[in-house]
Amino acid sequence: NAGVTQTPKFQVLKTGQSMTLQCAQDMNHEYMSWYRQDPGMGLRLIHYSVGAGITDQGEVPNGYNVSRSTTEDFPLRLLSAAPSQTSVYFCASSYGGALNEQFFGPGTRLTVL
Amino acid sequence: AQKITQTQPGMFVQEKEAVTLDCTYDTSDQSYGLFWYKQPSSGEMIFLIYQGSYDEQNATEGRYSLNFQKARKSANLVISASQLGDSAMYFCAMREDLGGGADGLTFGKGTHLIIQP
Repeated sequence: NAGVTQTPKFQVLKTGQSMTLQCAQDMNHEYMSWYRQDPGMGLRLIHYSVGAGITDQGEVPNGYNVSRSTTEDFPLRLLSAAPSQTSVYFCASSYGGALNEQFFGPGTRLTVL
Repeated sequence: AQKITQTQPGMFVQEKEAVTLDCTYDTSDQSYGLFWYKQPSSGEMIFLIYQGSYDEQNATEGRYSLNFQKARKSANLVISASQLGDSAMYFCAMREDLGGGADGLTFGKGTHLIIQP
């Protein structure tokens, strides 16, 4: 099993550009989520999904869109990148329920100039 | 109010000593999970240990144990016989049960642990 994969590993954007961060998992997990990590901070939840076709907002959703058309994939879209979105982005997946650990992808380091 | 508080931004510990990393949490839910993750300098998030709110015994995983005191809302991580490879950021996190499912993880700001030879 590959676990949780993310692409790209690194990305540099100019202000106003759009892009999609890809996330995929092969563990048949119904729950998937996106986090961002800024210096000196823990991870903060952006969006999450409890199953295909169902998404919801986390703590810091502004400027990001998500969709979940399959169980395996959960892309994160930046519609118009801003310097404040410079961060490391982690995708995670798990079985549903509070008592299940989340498995994290390797992260994407995004810089917005 | 912060849901997860880690009061030790950084710690220096001698190799082979035991280490306790503090974590307190705030929730009104009865059902929740508490997790510790390790983030080495390479950046990946590594799951270490988990404690469910209804678990009566403290969780243990090899050299890691979780000192769970529910009444005090604390979930401290204990690393026995520390090793140089334990040097990393350590994050405490909580996942609350929404009844029909679960929310994402809420993280503390982390503790930077440095093991000295």
